[in-house]
Amino acid sequence: GDSVTQMEGPVTLSEEAFLTINCTYTATGYPSLFWYVQYPGEGLQLLLKATKADDKGSNKGFEATYRKETTSFHLEKGSVQVSDSAVYFCALTNTGNQFYFGTGTSLTVIP
Amino acid sequence: DSGVTQTPKHLITATGQRVTLRCSPRSGDLSVYWYQQSLDQGLQFLIHYYNGEERAKGNILERFSAQQFPDLHSELNLSSLELGDSALYFCASSEGLAGGVYNEQFFGPGTRLTVL
Repeated sequence: GDSVTQMEGPVTLSEEAFLTINCTYTATGYPSLFWYVQYPGEGLQLLLKATKADDKGSNKGFEATYRKETTSFHLEKGSVQVSDSAVYFCALTNTGNQFYFGTGTSLTVIP
Repeated sequence: DSGVTQTPKHLITATGQRVTLRCSPRSGDLSVYWYQQSLDQGLQFLIHYYNGEERAKGNILERFSAQQFPDLHSELNLSSLELGDSALYFCASSEGLAGGVYNEQFFGPGTRLTVL
């Protein structure tokens, strides 16, 4: 079945460091891919999405490119801030009826 | 604020009891999804309703059931509660499929269930 595998955390970075959170997926067909972010005590919020191969989703300095050849959707940011500290979830859907989420990667950015 | 509301925010109950969690989707959204988030299991998809009809079931126990009403709000019923049911329960809503693209889900703030 469809699934998402995310890199394990927690990840701790210094402010202005480069961030990569790896995400690979297994799916039939051509799924849509998403990154969600969860701040402490809140629900998940969409960070960015990509709906077809080679699409790049971007938002708030974060980017991820839909790579069908490597079945990956890695999240990157060039310079993280303390306010980026949160849990990040990679997700996919093929039909819109069910979304598959990774286990989440906790990021802490220290000043 | 995502526009999705969930009540109650916190719920503390005893083993063997039954509780009902309520979700009101964003105005105009026809899809409601329920998820369970626990520390050791991550975010687990439970069930999806679209315009009152069940569309998909995930890892939902037989002790759990859900429905979506004509006004599109949804309720998740959890019965014969066990200690292991303690978790955060999120609902999310979505417009559904539009223009060939699956739209994002908007998550509510969650209901924290504690079973003692």
